Amino acid sequence: GAVVSQHPSWVICKSGTSVKIECRSLDFQATTMFWYRQFPKQSLMLMATSNEGSKATYEQGVEKDKFLINHASLTLSTLTVTSAHPEDSSFYICSARPPTVFTQYFGPGTRLTVL
Amino acid sequence: DQQVKQNSPSLSVQEGRISILNCDYTNSMFDYFLWYKKYPAEGPTFLISISSIKDKNEDGRFTVFLNKSAKHLSLHIVPSQPGDSAVYFCAAIISNSGYALNFGKGTSLLVTP
Repeated sequence: GAVVSQHPSWVICKSGTSVKIECRSLDFQATTMFWYRQFPKQSLMLMATSNEGSKATYEQGVEKDKFLINHASLTLSTLTVTSAHPEDSSFYICSARPPTVFTQYFGPGTRLTVL
Repeated sequence: DQQVKQNSPSLSVQEGRISILNCDYTNSMFDYFLWYKKYPAEGPTFLISISSIKDKNEDGRFTVFLNKSAKHLSLHIVPSQPGDSAVYFCAAIISNSGYALNFGKGTSLLVTP
């Protein structure tokens, strides 16, 4: 149980385009989902927390107009990187938390490369 | 400000021996701790957790010890296996504060045959 999927697993796009990444909890309902970013050889950096049906809470320094998060249902959250630039190239990972537990379960990650 | 610290970036252990991964934290409000294992280009996999009301939690080959007075926790893997080679992240939560994980920078474990 507690499986989280992400799609796509790898995306290459041109600078200036927008990219949408989906995060799904497959066997549980997630009232809270999280989006992280990982740079090479560094820890996971929390970007934002999204609660179903409400606006996401962004961490300091994360541009909410650039990284649009939508958590429209209890099993799906999306992250849209708008007008992507090469510096947005990174590994993006989502996690989901089942109700009543503290543990977050992570998706497999999405590698974004912006040319 | 790094509130969860893993001061050893890497650790090498022989197969069959014990692996001990350490983690220190600075925020006394943390009350729940988790260990995750991560392979390159994959998401972290949950291993084991411990509440601050306990000092030990065991699950198979994995045991987590918590020393609240020292603000220190450790993950013991015994016996270590080559498949345990990965990066291990320690994470902490303030349970009444949004459930956001505070991660350490990770320790890369290499288990050699």
